Amino acid sequence: KNEVEQSPQNLTAQEGEFITINCSYSVGISALHWLQQHPGGGIVSLFMLSSGKKKHGRLIATINIQEKHSSLHITASHPRDSAVYICAVSKGGSEKLVFGKGTKLTVNP
Amino acid sequence: GAVVSQHPSWVICKSGTSVKIECRSLDFQATTMFWYRQFPKQSLMLMATSNEGSKATYEQGVEKDKFLINHASLTLSTLTVTSAHPEDSSFYICSATRQSNSYEQYFGPGTRLTVT
Repeated sequence: KNEVEQSPQNLTAQEGEFITINCSYSVGISALHWLQQHPGGGIVSLFMLSSGKKKHGRLIATINIQEKHSSLHITASHPRDSAVYICAVSKGGSEKLVFGKGTKLTVNP
Repeated sequence: GAVVSQHPSWVICKSGTSVKIECRSLDFQATTMFWYRQFPKQSLMLMATSNEGSKATYEQGVEKDKFLINHASLTLSTLTVTSAHPEDSSFYICSATRQSNSYEQYFGPGTRLTVT
């Protein structure tokens, strides 16, 4: 079993919809990361969090340490949000990242 | 701030030749740089961790003689794919941290390597 599991694998939404992507992990972590990868391949770090909740614009990330679960929410989704969203964890004091397999989001106009 | 660049963004080379990919931190000194590869429709796979002035630490299964990593300064790390073969064709991405024991990584835009 992978140490970081994401769901769903693929997600299609209509513009304006509220999006949720889930991430579960099975190891002790120092931090959890949400990354965005556009079709061109470049990766942008959206959030790094170790507790609670963070918000940036239309994006919200939450983490529940006890349940080893995190969610990424996108409010009022837009076609430009179409990308692969990757959950990754910094495992127990290490700087190395362990990656989930990603969620491919397509937002249709 | 915290911009990481890679050069080239894409490269095509013939089988048996070597290719060098550069990763630079443009506006900060990178204490650690990481090299990843990504096959189509797959997630990133860590190849090696690189610290300035010391030998890179390679992940299990990554051939250090094939993927030469040099971290000559706090702003530059290079990955050289030696004697490239078609199976080395992949997307190579670097990332950097800007202080020790920092978990935040800043990613480069990636380099797409095609070996013919």
